Amino acid sequence: DTGVSQDPRHKITKRGQNVTFRCDPISEHNRLYWYRQTLGQGPEFLTYFQNEAQLEKSRLLSDRFSAERPKGSFSTLEIQRTEQGDSAMYLCASSLGDNFGGYTFGSGTRLTVV
Amino acid sequence: TQLLEQSPQFLSIQEGENLTVYCNSSSVFSSLQWYRQEPGEGPVLLVTVVTGGEVKKLKRLTFQFGDARKDSSLHITAAQPGDTGLYLCAGAVQGAQKLVFGQGTRLTINP
Repeated sequence: DTGVSQDPRHKITKRGQNVTFRCDPISEHNRLYWYRQTLGQGPEFLTYFQNEAQLEKSRLLSDRFSAERPKGSFSTLEIQRTEQGDSAMYLCASSLGDNFGGYTFGSGTRLTVV
Repeated sequence: TQLLEQSPQFLSIQEGENLTVYCNSSSVFSSLQWYRQEPGEGPVLLVTVVTGGEVKKLKRLTFQFGDARKDSSLHITAAQPGDTGLYLCAGAVQGAQKLVFGQGTRLTINP
């Protein structure tokens, strides 16, 4: 297993465009998390899945954001009508079971909205 | 308001010195973790502490979980340039299913 993979690593888009990011977790991990990190800050929770069920969404996740995890494997995070404030690093992490074992993070997708 | 407050936010010291980074909260955590993050990469887990008062050592790094499980510290002995990075603490609030992160401590070790 090569760990958590995120694609693309970098995305530059014009304001108003839609973007979609993909995350492939560690195969045996049943939990998948999306976080957003802006410069100089720690990661902020966006949403998480247990298998294919989306169990929690942050208030940070406006109606323009949607996440899916079909079949409990890979996940996608879509941002519609991007705004400059959406510019950030989007991190995906996976874990097995509860939080005690820690998360394995991907390398992130750096989004720049121009 | 940050649930987990880290201090200092920035620290720049010379190689060979010792340092301590703190992570404080008014909330009780069922577990607390420390991660290290390098530019352009995701955080990498260093340690998980679960029991109040627990101390874990990882080579030159010593991690402590407060007795009340509200705070933690990371102590580095004889810091090396390779220790440079962003150190993040993250806590699992009791009953919650996600980790909340501090804002990080950016550590620079000068040769």
